[in-house]
Amino acid sequence: DGGITQSPKYLFRKEGQNVTLSCEQNLNHDAMYWYRQDPGQGLRLIYYSQIVNDFQKGDIAEGYSVSREKKESFPLTVTSAQKNPTAFYLCASARDRGGYEQYFGPGTRLTVT
Amino acid sequence: SQQGEEDPQALSIQEGENATMNCSYKTSINNLQWYRQNSGRGLVHLILIRSNEREKHSGRLRVTLDTSKKSSSLLITASRAADTASYFCATDRLRTGSRYQLTFGKGTKLSVIP
Repeated sequence: DGGITQSPKYLFRKEGQNVTLSCEQNLNHDAMYWYRQDPGQGLRLIYYSQIVNDFQKGDIAEGYSVSREKKESFPLTVTSAQKNPTAFYLCASARDRGGYEQYFGPGTRLTVT
Repeated sequence: SQQGEEDPQALSIQEGENATMNCSYKTSINNLQWYRQNSGRGLVHLILIRSNEREKHSGRLRVTLDTSKKSSSLLITASRAADTASYFCATDRLRTGSRYQLTFGKGTKLSVIP
């Protein structure tokens, strides 16, 4: 059963704590992406990776960090430097670096109080 | 930066009617994609149309692309209550360093009333 998984579905943290969101895919895709979605808004790109051990900042990378040590995994850390971290986070993967559809995970809803 | 903008922001129709959503964008693109999102879920890819294509069909979906006007439309025919969702257009364009990036609009929220 191929797909992309994110865990957990809901995450609660206190302000000042770092938190890591998991994203795993078994589609053998090279490219992986992290997006943030706020209520009533579209998706904004945080970070993306087109091959293992390589990643690039998206439009809103400040306060976030990622790693891509394995092809299947692309975890996102929301650091205490992110001023407004409460949001819905979506991970996606694609076959290649461009020109292909993206496959999305179910999302993680992060609430920071 | 917002590349695609959907119109209308919200649309409410009766079951069986057709639903049309529009997307406008600003710069040249490699392709344009439409996605659907049910409330609180991830996005699901619906259709991809390349910059050299003008129309594409998939089941009850019809997408058109007018690169001269920098606009696209998504038509859902014979709508069903299960079509209730938000629909996003996303433009795929080449950014610096030979890297492609999808840029999403804010979406159209479609409600299909049974």
